[in-house]
Amino acid sequence: DVVMTQSPLSLPVTLGQPASISCRSSQSLVDSNGNTCFHWFQQRPGQSPRRLIYRVSNRDSGVPDRFSGSGSGTDFTLKISRVEAEDVGVYYCMQCTHWPPITFGQGTRLEIK
Amino acid sequence: EVQLVESGGGLVQPGGSLRLSCAVSGYTFSNNAMTWVRQAPGKGLEWVATILLDGSSKFYLGSVKDRFFISRDNSKNTLFLQMNTLRAEDTAIYYCVTGHWLDYWGQGTLVTVSS
Repeated sequence: DVVMTQSPLSLPVTLGQPASISCRSSQSLVDSNGNTCFHWFQQRPGQSPRRLIYRVSNRDSGVPDRFSGSGSGTDFTLKISRVEAEDVGVYYCMQCTHWPPITFGQGTRLEIK
Repeated sequence: EVQLVESGGGLVQPGGSLRLSCAVSGYTFSNNAMTWVRQAPGKGLEWVATILLDGSSKFYLGSVKDRFFISRDNSKNTLFLQMNTLRAEDTAIYYCVTGHWLDYWGQGTLVTVSS
């Protein structure tokens, strides 16, 4: 199974400052067709998760443009250009290139300093 | 607007069974795979099972294989998860999710396995 490792696991950020979360996979997420099935999810306190970014760098509908995703192979990054109060929550990376099983990172808890 | 509404959760004793349902609207249910994801209290997300669009192929997390069974009724836009021989470690919120890219999520239903 592909292991997804996120860092940091806790991320205190000052409002208006940037934030960055890293996710590393135990093997390359590029499939034989050159596609990468890798997504980012946000889970606000008390809510269901929602997908933010799909296929590495594509924002889902309604996601503010302060969120961006990048990376390739085994290393991926989620960046928030300027953190707002509504960004508090837990962020998960996920791979579906080598499935089953679909696997998630442990989650990164973003909080406001 | 896509809506997924889970039901069927509750308190069950170890070794018992439960059947979860998920009613889907605003989505082309019959043209897409469907997935169950769970989240134990205070823990992260864990994929449980996925069923492809016509129900012919099903995939399971190793620890639930042969105990949990995913199915669907495309005529009613409804997804199911039959959970048998439940264990304490199955205690979690169970989310119904569209596709295997996990586009849309339901609000979840809590399953508690305890004596």
